[in-house]
Amino acid sequence: RKEVEQDPGPFNVPEGATVAFNCTYSNSASQSFFWYRQDCRKEPKLLMSVYSSGNEDGRFTAQLNRASQYISLLIRDSKLSDSATYLCVVNIGSNAGNMLTFGGGTRLMVKP
Amino acid sequence: ETGVTQSPTHLIKTRGQQVTLRCSSQSGHNTVSWYQQALGQGPQFIFQYYREEENGRGNFPPRFSGLQFPNYSSELNVNALELDDSALYLCASSPGQTYQETQYFGPGTRLLVL
Repeated sequence: RKEVEQDPGPFNVPEGATVAFNCTYSNSASQSFFWYRQDCRKEPKLLMSVYSSGNEDGRFTAQLNRASQYISLLIRDSKLSDSATYLCVVNIGSNAGNMLTFGGGTRLMVKP
Repeated sequence: ETGVTQSPTHLIKTRGQQVTLRCSSQSGHNTVSWYQQALGQGPQFIFQYYREEENGRGNFPPRFSGLQFPNYSSELNVNALELDDSALYLCASSPGQTYQETQYFGPGTRLLVL
């Protein structure tokens, strides 16, 4: 079983749609949680951190459920520029180093 | 931009050769991590250096090694290249080594092994 699992997609949605991505993680010792965005052939860039209380940044809302080991990302009013791969990331934060564990990514394509 | 640079941007090698990839972190960032991203997959953690000492390693064989220098630059060395080593290699830097800190990624080096 992979440590961080995501539906690879692709999710094909029209502009203006609301789309939700989910992710599960296996290590209950995970300490911090993130969503990264990666454009084709580019490096991952931090989209937002994820907190148990939930957090929102404009059109993006992230939620964490520690009991279910589940992370979600909601994108409202999708734009063409949101087309990218979204990576769910956890950090165990152990003595083994500040290691990020990535899911395989979910590909989003927003169509006109 | 993140202020993290990597060189070269692209590289082609043949099986069995050795390669050195370079990364320059943001000034003041004492931690550098290296990741391998194969096509269609998420990045995988190779190892991390903090103040020039390796302090974490993922599931990669010893032929993957690294160095970190006092001037915030670092290297990833791969010996005896295999075809499966073809990937995007990313370095990421952060000020310290706590789990709360954001890691800033460089643009990556795309390695092709023939």
